[in-house]
Amino acid sequence: NAGVTQTPKFRVLKTGQSMTLLCAQDMNHEYMYWYRQDPGMGLRLIHYSVGEGTTAKGEVPDGYNVSRLKKQNFLLGLESAAPSQTSVYFCASSYSIGQDPLGYTFGSGTRLTVV
Amino acid sequence: AQKVTQAQTEISVVEKEDVTLDCVYETRDTTYYLFWYKQPPSGELVFLIRRNSFDEQNEISGRYSWNFQKSTSSFNFTITASQVVDSAVYFCALSEWGLPALANEKLTFGTGTRLTIIP
Repeated sequence: NAGVTQTPKFRVLKTGQSMTLLCAQDMNHEYMYWYRQDPGMGLRLIHYSVGEGTTAKGEVPDGYNVSRLKKQNFLLGLESAAPSQTSVYFCASSYSIGQDPLGYTFGSGTRLTVV
Repeated sequence: AQKVTQAQTEISVVEKEDVTLDCVYETRDTTYYLFWYKQPPSGELVFLIRRNSFDEQNEISGRYSWNFQKSTSSFNFTITASQVVDSAVYFCALSEWGLPALANEKLTFGTGTRLTIIP
């Protein structure tokens, strides 16, 4: 039972390079999220998805794009990486019973450094 | 907009002491959910508890207990007889339950409290 799997776990990018972070969940959850964690800032929501083919902006969406082509996958893209995007990125998924939010499950994180 | 405040940035206590981590929240909704997560040095986020706004009963789980008070918008977390393994960053988080549906599922986190248990 893998839960939420993030790849890669670590990455170093040069400024201006692009990359995609992959999040995969095997729990059939409808909702998926990308957060970034920075020292003293807690976790801040970048983008989220309430279902296959749908995405929405979170608190800090600038510089990122996302896609949810398959229910189990949620991709986070950086088109032109900047040092300010150095962070730890967490993916999460959740499900609801009605509108009752349950079962947030987090991946183990991706540590990204932009030099 | 929803907001979670964890005013204690860092706390250090000697092993076996009790420690309380504070969490104050703001929300416009009457129905919402509160969470606590633990982030040990290994970095993963570990779910500790979920509480909905209709349930103000305090909860105890082993050495952990939670005090939910709607009157003061607080959801504090107490560790009794602390142990070195409790050393971690602890996050309080809030999820609003209201329309539109797109807003329901987002977790808003506090900035975390780093707890260090001194042997």
